[in-house]
Amino acid sequence: EVQLVESGGGLVQPGGSLRLSCAASGFTFSNYWIHWVRQVPGKGLVWVSRINSDGSSTYYVDSVKGRFTISRDNAKNTLYLQMNSLRAEDTAIYYCARGATAVDPTWGFDYWGQGALVTVSS
Amino acid sequence: QSALTQPASVSGSPGQSITISCTGTSSDVGGHDYVSWYQQHPGKAPKLIIYDVSKRPSGVSNRFSGSKSGNTASLTISGLQAEDEADYHCSSYTSSSTGLFGGGTRLTVL
Repeated sequence: EVQLVESGGGLVQPGGSLRLSCAASGFTFSNYWIHWVRQVPGKGLVWVSRINSDGSSTYYVDSVKGRFTISRDNAKNTLYLQMNSLRAEDTAIYYCARGATAVDPTWGFDYWGQGALVTVSS
Repeated sequence: QSALTQPASVSGSPGQSITISCTGTSSDVGGHDYVSWYQQHPGKAPKLIIYDVSKRPSGVSNRFSGSKSGNTASLTISGLQAEDEADYHCSSYTSSSTGLFGGGTRLTVL
């Protein structure tokens, strides 16, 4: 069974840092693009970042460039999102989601984690 | 990177069909056949229902269908059922190799 489990969310002060993790199981993690998507409760989804299968390519939404860093450890089947210089507007539920493989470039996130709540407030 | 445009809400009666639009630009929706749709029930993670404009993942009802014309993608749900009441989100790949979502559409089954 494919599973993605986020952890590391919590309350942080403006300007602070937090690292989210996403532990994957039930599939060959190292074959897939993985994405971070966030959602303010009651609002729409916002795509945040993605990383390719070996970690050599990363992309970000403009609002987090220079502050957030996506990375992965394929030996540990784990994805990370290092979030620095956090702002109130970064408050959201953060989901990791499985994307495409290199050999089958599709656009659809077929498995999602349960989400990790990040609250930026003083 | 402005969000894709979706109607805030749509509604329909059981058995009817509804269509939700998702409008972008030639740099996203219009530039690729990489549009996906997600269904999200309250308090739950999104569920993929359409990918690559019109493909359905295994296990998704054939009452859900997708299409695209120019810069606008559409999701059609036929034979509306009570359990279809949810939020629906579209997403597109962009020419910057990033992703983009719409603002979401709340579907009410009357």
